[in-house]
Amino acid sequence: GAVVSQHPSWVICKSGTSVKIECRSLDFQATTMFWYRQFPKQSLMLMATSNEGSKATYEQGVEKDKFLINHASLTLSTLTVTSAHPEDSSFYICSARGSDRGVEVVNQPQHFGDGTRLSIL
Amino acid sequence: QKEVEQDPGPLSVPEGAIVSLNCTYSNSAFQYFMWYRQYSRKGPELLMYTYSSGNKEDGRFTAQVDKSSKYISLFIRDSQPSDSATYLCAMTSGGGNKLTFGTGTQLKVEL
Repeated sequence: GAVVSQHPSWVICKSGTSVKIECRSLDFQATTMFWYRQFPKQSLMLMATSNEGSKATYEQGVEKDKFLINHASLTLSTLTVTSAHPEDSSFYICSARGSDRGVEVVNQPQHFGDGTRLSIL
Repeated sequence: QKEVEQDPGPLSVPEGAIVSLNCTYSNSAFQYFMWYRQYSRKGPELLMYTYSSGNKEDGRFTAQVDKSSKYISLFIRDSQPSDSATYLCAMTSGGGNKLTFGTGTQLKVEL
């Protein structure tokens, strides 16, 4: 199985605050999770690859200090949008690869959480 | 040229119609092919996953991969209003490499 849970589903906050989004693998261990951003009517844009126990790998153009990723356990990765501004408003989605007997398999397809709609006022 | 091309639609069909969704790609290293369905304000849901060329069927859904033409398709039989969503193709060369997505095709199935 590969159930991915994301929380919160929707958050509204004031400009300048930091927002944390959680991504959990519910029935398997995920060494690697992925964070995407999606603008209206556009496809998913990979922001970073989150690696358990090590630093995240960020895609070109994504600010590391702006989007902090922590993958402290095999079932939880968090994305913190620091000092958020209106231009950070977007739909953020996490994913993890499928598993075999509770262990992530590299060539399994990615399964996605339900996303977090972030609105910065 | 994008690595993966997908007609954005919108595609509107009557209930019960057969729907054909397609993607073309340029990277011959891609070996794993996926179709995801995404409802508005939700994350993508995996529909089909295939490796290399060939067909795969699951209920009303059939995925086809033609690596020689660098062309993949998703067919939906007996389409239902609940199939109305955006369909994303995705592919990877495997080995832990990242997914490359199409832009998504918006489908509307009308009563």
